[in-house]
Amino acid sequence: EADIYQTPRYLVIGTGKKITLECSQTMGHDKMYWYQQDPGMELHLIHYSYGVNSTEKGDLSSESTVSRIRTEHFPLTLESARPSHTSQYLCASNPSAAGIYEQYFGPGTRLTVT
Amino acid sequence: QKEVEQNSGPLSVPEGAIASLNCTYSDRGSQSFFWYRQYSGKSPELIMFIYSNGDKEDGRFTAQLNKASQYVSLLIRDSQPSDSATYLCAVNRSNFGNEKLTFGTGTRLTIIP
Repeated sequence: EADIYQTPRYLVIGTGKKITLECSQTMGHDKMYWYQQDPGMELHLIHYSYGVNSTEKGDLSSESTVSRIRTEHFPLTLESARPSHTSQYLCASNPSAAGIYEQYFGPGTRLTVT
Repeated sequence: QKEVEQNSGPLSVPEGAIASLNCTYSDRGSQSFFWYRQYSGKSPELIMFIYSNGDKEDGRFTAQLNKASQYVSLLIRDSQPSDSATYLCAVNRSNFGNEKLTFGTGTRLTIIP
């Protein structure tokens, strides 16, 4: 089981601000993911990474960007927050062994843009 | 047709009874199947995964997989109020080396004391 940390847990911020949501894991997992989930709705994959310097966009178009400079760290950035970005953002990671597909989630960041 | 379909519920089950949650998927080549539990306002927690046809038991939980029917289910025996949550079915896409999961919308389960 992975130890995945997300900060902040809750963030209320005004329109136009730049924000970075932090995600880190201590298990050395190569694969990491960002999901967006609105209340009562399904998870949507917005970004993923299979290792350092590897990032890909997910299924749901997002104005956010990600980086992966270190294995343990996968931050998500919004250059200019808008009310439409209000949502819960969930980070997950996956053990690197072949054939292991289960993902473990961090506690999430609930973002509100006013 | 959605890739992973679940009945959104709510599903109400008396305490002590068996809760049965169902999920169907469209990609016949899917290989790996997962059940996550998500309490309101919390992140998903992995409770079961199954890769082979048949049943897999872990405590009060049993996952059942039927690849021919493209159907996976989760049984919860001796349901407890703490089992009240939304249960998400997730399926690994079949592309080799592609460790992305597709999630269903979830079934909301309520255990009635």
